Amino acid sequence: ETGVTQSPTHLIKTRGQQVTLRCSSQSGHNTVSWYQQALGQGPQFIFQYYREEENGRGNFPPRFSGLQFPNYSSELNVNALELDDSALYLCASSLAGTSGIGKAQYFGPGTRLTVL
Amino acid sequence: AQSVTQLDSQVPVFEEAPVELRCNYSSSVSVYLFWYVQYPNQGLQLLLKYLSGSTLVESINGFEAEFNKSQTSFHLRKPSVHISDTAEYFCAVSVEGYSTLTFGKGTMLLVSP
Repeated sequence: ETGVTQSPTHLIKTRGQQVTLRCSSQSGHNTVSWYQQALGQGPQFIFQYYREEENGRGNFPPRFSGLQFPNYSSELNVNALELDDSALYLCASSLAGTSGIGKAQYFGPGTRLTVL
Repeated sequence: AQSVTQLDSQVPVFEEAPVELRCNYSSSVSVYLFWYVQYPNQGLQLLLKYLSGSTLVESINGFEAEFNKSQTSFHLRKPSVHISDTAEYFCAVSVEGYSTLTFGKGTMLLVSP
């Protein structure tokens, strides 16, 4: 069984730039969620994708966007980067039923984004 | 909306001593509860979960947590900790009908010899 993988591991960008982070789900999982973890804080929910559609969104501006592909992998895109976007970005996958609702989520190792 | 409170930001303990990490939640609907562990510079690992059934749940490495609906708590306990248990522990909740997680701010468990 393959776990959740994320790339890249680390990334340094400057303010105003755009970034794309990638995630491969655990095998057999059909739902992907993205979280932002600022230093010293718990993860904050950004959004979730199920069957290639956004299935819920947290309190993040539209410059945070995502995609889910037919193989259930996913991307997180952030436009017009701000200094406060510096954080660990975590991807989590889960297996949802026909309602789109899963239960336990399994996390990848994260991508550390630094915005200068 | 639901919320999670982890009352202790840091818990120092000696090796082989017992430990309890506290977690309280707030929700107006039925919940699922989780504990995740995060080692330095790593992602989150699922430690244990309460979905339904027995209110006492156990992990493979000796941790246990008990769901207490009347006190809205899900405290994590271990009778004897090891140096290797040093990590950040996060309590999280999802509500019935949704799978997104709301996390607490975390508790750093520091185990010393």
